[in-house]
Amino acid sequence: QVQLQESGPGLVKPSQTLSLTCTVSGDSISSGDFYWSWIRQSPVKGLEWIGYIFFTGRTYYKPSLRSRATISVDTSKNQFSLKLTSVTAADTAVYYCARGNWGPHFDYWGQGALVTVSS
Amino acid sequence: QSVLTQPPSVSGTPGQSVTISCSGSNSNIGSNYVCWYQQVPGTAPKLLIYRNNQRPSGVPDRFSGSKSGTSAALAISGLRSEDETDYFCAVWDDSLSGPVFGEGTKLTV
Repeated sequence: QVQLQESGPGLVKPSQTLSLTCTVSGDSISSGDFYWSWIRQSPVKGLEWIGYIFFTGRTYYKPSLRSRATISVDTSKNQFSLKLTSVTAADTAVYYCARGNWGPHFDYWGQGALVTVSS
Repeated sequence: QSVLTQPPSVSGTPGQSVTISCSGSNSNIGSNYVCWYQQVPGTAPKLLIYRNNQRPSGVPDRFSGSKSGTSAALAISGLRSEDETDYFCAVWDDSLSGPVFGEGTKLTV
């Protein structure tokens, strides 16, 4: 049974960096069979893909977030992480990590982590 | 504002069939596979359809997907009360260089 679990602070101050980690169980990121993604959802923007990472560390980002987002992988811990810098209230959302293939196909999702940007 | 257009809501009665549409363009639906997700509020989206019309294991055959030109559709037959929730289409967009999601359709049964 594949499971993903997000973890990290639920409250971040404006202009600071949002940091989240996704721990994967039931599958190995190192298998190289899938891409590992961050996706967020807010009432204003809906579902928004942030980026992918492959086990090699190769990353792909939504162009409008590329300057602020960094996704990294720790295969020894079977985890991947998201950092989003210079956050504003517009970054307030539920952040999901997900496993998928190249494209819009995400077959396993974490339960989601609400991150609020507020002073 | 998404590049994919879905109706905000659709409704049907138990046992009936409904169709949810997703309209896009040549840079997304017109040239790439479509997926559909079901999301119960407060939970993560669940993959219902991939590659336009394929169902993952465990998804009932009451759910079916189709694509024609720059539009796609999710059909649900034999409506049940538990189908009452939100549905999203998703597709790769060549112009935006990434997957995009529709704004979602709320199904009322």
